[in-house]
Amino acid sequence: DQQVKQNSPSLSVQEGRISILNCDYTNSMFDYFLWYKKYPAEGPTFLISISSIKDKNEDGRFTVFLNKSAKHLSLHIVPSQPGDSAVYFCAATTDSWGKFQFGAGTQVVVTP
Amino acid sequence: GAGVSQSPSNKVTEKGKDVELRCDPISGHTALYWYRQSLGQGLEFLIYFQGNSAPDKSGLPSDRFSAERTGGSVSTLTIQRTQQEDSAVYLCASSPDYDNTQYFGPGTRLTVL
Repeated sequence: DQQVKQNSPSLSVQEGRISILNCDYTNSMFDYFLWYKKYPAEGPTFLISISSIKDKNEDGRFTVFLNKSAKHLSLHIVPSQPGDSAVYFCAATTDSWGKFQFGAGTQVVVTP
Repeated sequence: GAGVSQSPSNKVTEKGKDVELRCDPISGHTALYWYRQSLGQGLEFLIYFQGNSAPDKSGLPSDRFSAERTGGSVSTLTIQRTQQEDSAVYLCASSPDYDNTQYFGPGTRLTVL
């Protein structure tokens, strides 16, 4: 039962342009969402999060948008840089801490 | 400060053997999580510890999998009678009790021949 879905397995974007990664979820009880970035042969690293009481959270080049009615969140990276090339995972949870559900990931490739 | 560490980094074993994977969380982190990532797949939740107890073991794929945590710190994931489908990267993460953010270790790549 895949409760968190990232339907785009890969995304290619030119350096300097905007990268938009999408994530959909089915469990309306999820109240906290996170994005992780993963380089090959390394563990995922935390990027940005958003609580369900907000619809937007911004941190530097990274902005996460949450649309609760559509059960959809997105991560915007602008401007994209070559170092942003990685796999990005969306995650969601129902508790303040506890079981997290992860999406399958989106491979982002930023080309010069 | 030191991050989450896992050992071994790589493990190759023969089908039917038992393996133990170790996770050292960040000091003071009360929550500890085990995940695995099979080739081409996303992160699959296995088990979660709060202190030494495991409120959620629902992700363990079979009774060949078990995990324990002692002293609220180190955790060991044990896989008995390994099968080829157990081949994956096993990731451990920890988080403090005031924060939802999970900090991941580098993972253990398990290959079952």
